[in-house]
Amino acid sequence: DSGVTQTPKHLITATGQRVTLRCSPRSGDLSVYWYQQSLDQGLQFLIQYYNGEERAKGNILERFSAQQFPDLHSELNLSSLELGDSALYFCASSVDRPGELTDTQYFGPGTRLTVL
Amino acid sequence: AQKVTQAQTEISVVEKEDVTLDCVYETRDTTYYLFWYKQPPSGELVFLIRRNSFDEQNEISGRYSWNFQKSTSSFNFTITASQVVDSAVYFCALLSNFGNEKLTFGTGTRLTIIP
Repeated sequence: DSGVTQTPKHLITATGQRVTLRCSPRSGDLSVYWYQQSLDQGLQFLIQYYNGEERAKGNILERFSAQQFPDLHSELNLSSLELGDSALYFCASSVDRPGELTDTQYFGPGTRLTVL
Repeated sequence: AQKVTQAQTEISVVEKEDVTLDCVYETRDTTYYLFWYKQPPSGELVFLIRRNSFDEQNEISGRYSWNFQKSTSSFNFTITASQVVDSAVYFCALLSNFGNEKLTFGTGTRLTIIP
């Protein structure tokens, strides 16, 4: 158990709908990352938040947005869903200690999204 | 640009055999980090190891060992005396570009251990 929690575990919805995925980082971790794992694209970085602020953006579609709240949990919002958005969405967290170049990212169990 | 190549898509070995998973990376940064993650059939991503670019010492943890060679830009992973529980997809990942902390993953190697 990495200490990162994600809800829900599974989500089935229809095209055109909007969903929200939730992530709680490990205790003490300030950074949250979102990744998408699909069969054709593999594991792709979407976005990173650090202590409530967006820090880095990857291949995130405009239909997708995220935020990190004061209690450090994060939500990934996916709207106008398409069949191709079906994937496993991972959240990861790391401490991001000041003065250190990087830290290990620990992953949650993922949310499997199926768009019908 | 960063890139991680795992040329072995699938590997099958009989239990108790040793197996090596290959990873080759590309980056222009002089400081970077390499990782291995395991994804068992249950789907979660489990952290196995992190290695800094300035530390080429090989590492052994139980049946697992890692060989990092900067000269060939490789970070290979060996499982000794494989077990059925080792069956999973293994991902090699690279992190560089300090300040842009995204992991670049390889495409993964699916390892099947045959009892």
